[in-house]
Formats: sequence, structure tokens, C-alpha cells
Amino acid sequence: EVQLVESGGGLVRPGGSLKLSCEAFGFTFSNSRMDWVRHAPGKGPMWVARFRTEGDVGDRIAYADSVKGRFTISRDNARNTLYLHMTSLRAEDTAIYYCTRSEASGISLSWGQGTLVTVSS
Amino acid sequence: IVMTQSPDSLAVSLGERATIKCKSSQSVLYSSNNKNYLAWYQKKPGQPPNLLIYWASTRESGVPDRFSGSGSGTDFTLTIRSLRAEDVAIYYCQQYYDAPITFGQGTRLEIK
Repeated sequence: EVQLVESGGGLVRPGGSLKLSCEAFGFTFSNSRMDWVRHAPGKGPMWVARFRTEGDVGDRIAYADSVKGRFTISRDNARNTLYLHMTSLRAEDTAIYYCTRSEASGISLSWGQGTLVTVSS
Repeated sequence: IVMTQSPDSLAVSLGERATIKCKSSQSVLYSSNNKNYLAWYQKKPGQPPNLLIYWASTRESGVPDRFSGSGSGTDFTLTIRSLRAEDVAIYYCQQYYDAPITFGQGTRLEIK
């Protein structure tokens, strides 16, 4: 069974940093495209970043414009873990952050339970 | 690509049909493979979104057949035939035709 377990969320002041982790179980992590998607209350989900595998077409790493230069996605295939390092956090980054296992096309096949990030003074 | 859903909320009686619309600001039909890059997700409180439909009309494994997707190009519909209490949720459409992937604002489905 596919399982994604996020951690690392919390309360942080504006301008601060956090590093989220997502540990994967039940599938071949190294062969899977992985994404971060966030969901703020009352809004639709927003795609944040992706990390393709070597066999996929296109840029391996990409970011939403609103987080480019502030967030960094990375992965450790030996640990079956996806990361999102977030810096210069803003109030509008407040959301539940989900990691997703995605098809190469971008379909979000599986989602973790999410980790809440709150940016507030 | 901007995804716009209608209505924002919907109340339907148990056993009746629920219809949710999704419109994309540009076509999500890829001509080379004739596939619409459109998915539907169901979100219940305290749970992550759950994939229902992809390629506009293909049901994900395990999704009841009362859920169906239709449409092409820029206009899509999610239909829930014979509504059940457990279908109360927020439904989101998503396009994966072009980067960045984008979602609709959601349609809240309730029981009348």
C-alpha cells in the first residue's frame, strides 16, 4: 500500500525557515515523480514544486512562481524521502503542505495526510 | 491556465444527481494523443484530496461507478449519479496539460 508521511510543519515567524520531509512507503520511490502541493483554507490547492525522475521528459525540478528563489525541493532516494526547504516565509505561505506521488503527466495519484505550516508573528 | 468551477456550492437530495462544471481558460486537449489533461479530486474534512477521475473520464481504481467525468477541450463535467451521504465533500478539477499544474477553486457539495 502506498503511504506518504509528511513532517516538519509548524508555526514560524515571517521571514523564517522550515524544512518539510515526506517519507514514502509501498512503491519504488526512485522511479516516481514527486510533487509538493499546498492547500490554504477556503482556496483551491496550489502546486508548489516537482521533482521528476531521470527518465521523465522535461526539467527535473520546477517551482511555482510565487515560491521560486525561496523554496528548494530535493530528494534522497536511499532514504525514500522528499524534502521541501522553505525560506523567507510569508503569511501567504500558510497552508497544509502535501507531498504527492505523481504520474509523469502530472496526475497526483497519491497524497500524504499533510503537514500544517503557519506563518505568523 | 485558470480553472473555474461552477457552482461554488451545491445542495442535492439523497439519491438525486449532482453535476459540477469546470471550465479551463484554454484547451487542455492534447491533439497528438487526443487526451484531455483534466482530473477531478474529492476532498473531505481532515483528509487529503482523493483522485476520482483522470484523462477527463477515466475512473481511478476503487472509485464507485456513480462518479463519471465528461467533456473535452475547455468544458468538463463531474456527475455523481444517485447521491449518497458519504459523497458530501469539496470537489476540485485540475489541469495537468501545462505547467504550472492548476486547480479550480472547488465546489462544495451538501445534502439538501
